[in-house]
Amino acid sequence: GESVGLHLPTLSVQEGDNSIINCAYSNSASDYFIWYKQESGKGPQFIIDIRSNMDKRQGQRVTVLLNKTVKHLSLQIAATQPGDSAVYFCAENMTPGGGSNYKLTFGKGTLLTVNP
Amino acid sequence: GAVVSQHPSWVICKSGTSVKIECRSLDFQATTMFWYRQFPKQSLMLMATSNEGSKATYEQGVEKDKFLINHASLTLSTLTVTSAHPEDSSFYICSARDSTSGTWAQYFGPGTRLTVT
Repeated sequence: GESVGLHLPTLSVQEGDNSIINCAYSNSASDYFIWYKQESGKGPQFIIDIRSNMDKRQGQRVTVLLNKTVKHLSLQIAATQPGDSAVYFCAENMTPGGGSNYKLTFGKGTLLTVNP
Repeated sequence: GAVVSQHPSWVICKSGTSVKIECRSLDFQATTMFWYRQFPKQSLMLMATSNEGSKATYEQGVEKDKFLINHASLTLSTLTVTSAHPEDSSFYICSARDSTSGTWAQYFGPGTRLTVT
């Protein structure tokens, strides 16, 4: 998995703007990816997922883009609201040895701050 | 749907004592649950994978005799921190995968803040 540092990448946007959060994943064999939102003092909340056989998936106000060539994942949030302020993590699914023994590896996270 | 609960939400204990944390999937069955630890301003680090009816699989560097995991039913996994020390103070989060969903998504509990004095 990725190394974790103490300095969280940050993104600051104005309310109503679109936000793009980026993530570089580590394993070219990963076949499933998830974006989570974590508010302070709470557990991560599932936002959207995408399988490796897709390059785009849309949800409500969110879109995930996957570029397997450069191992890059992005989360786009449309019309960002103050309630979107949180840390966002990407996670990749690795299935060591195949079968049902799988686990998620989390990225460093990005702190999104929405200014009113 | 896909709600996971944890109890307690926070706990303070003295050094040398043991603490048990419960993780429950409320509206689905979870053959597999996961335990993570998170330090301030850091990402989630997987500690172990808990499989219903069998032994947990621990990540490298995690002491299995210190972090005891029991997954006795399809809706409950417990993590016991034995002989806790101040360095065990952290945010412990469990997650569960809905084994009938056909996806790999994990749903997380609200976390348990452990402080060892």
